[in-house]
Amino acid sequence: EAQVTQNPRYLITVTGKKLTVTCSQNMNHEYMSWYRQDPGLGLRQIYYSMNVEVTDKGDVPEGYKVSRKEKRNFPLILESPSPNQTSLYFCASRSTGGFGTIYFGEGSWLTVV
Amino acid sequence: GIQVEQSPPDLILQEGANSTLRCNFSDSVNNLQWFHQNPWGQLINLFYIPSGTKQNGRLSATTVATERYSLLYISSSQTTDSGVYFCASRTQGGSEKLVFGKGTKLTVNP
Repeated sequence: EAQVTQNPRYLITVTGKKLTVTCSQNMNHEYMSWYRQDPGLGLRQIYYSMNVEVTDKGDVPEGYKVSRKEKRNFPLILESPSPNQTSLYFCASRSTGGFGTIYFGEGSWLTVV
Repeated sequence: GIQVEQSPPDLILQEGANSTLRCNFSDSVNNLQWFHQNPWGQLINLFYIPSGTKQNGRLSATTVATERYSLLYISSSQTTDSGVYFCASRTQGGSEKLVFGKGTKLTVNP
């Protein structure tokens, strides 16, 4: 079954405590991306990766880091989380061949207190 | 950039009713998708429909690319259809990010 898997699904953490949200896909997709969803602002792209070792900033990259060492994994790192990073986060992937469907993970609810 | 507008913003139905959701986009697109976000926040792919018509059970979608709109039809609605329905189109080149509409919030009452 085609899947994008995110962990953790739910997390409450404190300001400044580094955390990583993992993302893994089993479809051999080249393209992966992170979005955050906030009320009134919709979904906004944080970072994206066109392939291994190729990453770039999206619309709201401040306070986040990513890495793409393997094709299947694309972790999102919050080095020093702040309350304004409280949000619902989605990882997504798709093939870059043609105009394929994009697949989303189940979402990660992150609260920073 | 591409702008995506959805209507209506809110829709309340009784179980069993039919509905049509609309998505207008500002520029020609060839990769329109429909998603359903359930009350638990999960984004579920419904259709990848750059043009033409597709059906999946009680749901169907039509995109008329030349007129820059897409329609999502829900027939015989059920309470499990509740949630927010988004259409989205991907920008070309660069980040290839998805541009989402603001969604239609559907509530189906028993």
